[in-house]
Amino acid sequence: DTAVSQTPKYLVTQMGNDKSIKCEQNLGHDTMYWYKQDSKKFLKIMFSYNNKELIINETVPNRFSPKSPDKAHLNLHINSLELGDSAVYFCASSNTGGNSPLHFGNGTRLTVT
Amino acid sequence: GNSVTQMEGPVTLSEEAFLTINCTYTATGYPSLFWYVQYPGEGLQLLLKATKADDKGSNKGFEATYRKETTSFHLEKGSVQVSDSAVYFCALSQTGANNLFFGTGTRLTVIP
Repeated sequence: DTAVSQTPKYLVTQMGNDKSIKCEQNLGHDTMYWYKQDSKKFLKIMFSYNNKELIINETVPNRFSPKSPDKAHLNLHINSLELGDSAVYFCASSNTGGNSPLHFGNGTRLTVT
Repeated sequence: GNSVTQMEGPVTLSEEAFLTINCTYTATGYPSLFWYVQYPGEGLQLLLKATKADDKGSNKGFEATYRKETTSFHLEKGSVQVSDSAVYFCALSQTGANNLFFGTGTRLTVIP
């Protein structure tokens, strides 16, 4: 299946831990993104990579570090997790350009206890 | 700057009712406009889009017209079904850019 797939689907962890979320797309897109969706469903972009290069880095704590080993993968590593990091994280991909729609993964629900 | 404002939810309708979800935007230049839908437990999916003024996007019985004079892109459907229950997001992006600006989402519940 052609898709954006992210793992894990659910992630429950304690404060202070370090965790990673993986994302892969097989759509041949050259741009990938991480979005955070809070409990009120508000979506905010965190990062965007184009051909493995960082092009958008919104105001996100340094504890969040994206890694793009190739243009089909964009992983998100989070250090020293905090309660406020609990949210659903969505990976997405698209072709370059404002007219190209985003294709989203199904999300990773992160719960920090 | 760029921003999207959409009507507060939640919206509850009976099956076969008419749906309107309002969306207005602020942007420089000529953005592309989108509606995305998020079904429970899933990621967002593109529902429809319009890339220039007066364009009408349509899909699955949903329609939205790009109105530059009122900076609006309201979503409409003539007869909703229970399966349309989801959260709907209006969004815009600038030509050549790689960032979507989303509205806050509107939860629609359709009851039989």
